[in-house]
Amino acid sequence: GAVVSQHPSWVICKSGTSVKIECRSLDFQATTMFWYRQFPKQSLMLMATSNEGSKATYEQGVEKDKFLINHASLTLSTLTVTSAHPEDSSFYICSARGFRSSYNEQFFGPGTRLTVL
Amino acid sequence: GENVEQHPSTLSVQEGDSAVIKCTYSDSASNYFPWYKQELGKGPQLIIDIRSNVGEKKDQRIAVTLNKTAKHFSLHITETQPEDSAVYFCAASPSGNTPLVFGKGTRLSVIA
Repeated sequence: GAVVSQHPSWVICKSGTSVKIECRSLDFQATTMFWYRQFPKQSLMLMATSNEGSKATYEQGVEKDKFLINHASLTLSTLTVTSAHPEDSSFYICSARGFRSSYNEQFFGPGTRLTVL
Repeated sequence: GENVEQHPSTLSVQEGDSAVIKCTYSDSASNYFPWYKQELGKGPQLIIDIRSNVGEKKDQRIAVTLNKTAKHFSLHITETQPEDSAVYFCAASPSGNTPLVFGKGTRLSVIA
């Protein structure tokens, strides 16, 4: 149980284009989803928290207009990197939390490697 | 807010030896402490967790201990194997529906 998938697993795009990453909870309903960014040999950096049906809460320093997050259903959240530039190249990981969790368990997806040329 | 410190940042052990990774947290209200293993190019995988009403939890070769008074918790891996080589992250959960706060990670290398 508690499986989270991400798609695509890797993507290469040209500078200036937009890229959408999907995160799905496969066997539970995720009331809250989190999006992280990870640079090589570094820890997870929280970008935003989204609750189903409401606007995402972004961490300080994360541009909401550049990283669009949608959490339209209890099993799907999307992160769209708009007008991507080489500095947006990174490993993006989503995480999901179910509404039955009495403690704040988070289950992670496999990550998406974004390379912007 | 919550702050999690993790040590050491790198750890090398001989195959068969034990490995210990330690974390401290600052928010006494935190009540959930998971440990994640991340292999290269993959997302973190939950390997064990402990809740604040328990002092120790074991799952085969992996154990976690929690000292609420001192606000620290540790991961113990016994009889290490090369496949245990990975980056391990500890985390703490503050109260409410807030994100986990992660340590900076420990890169464990098990030398055959």
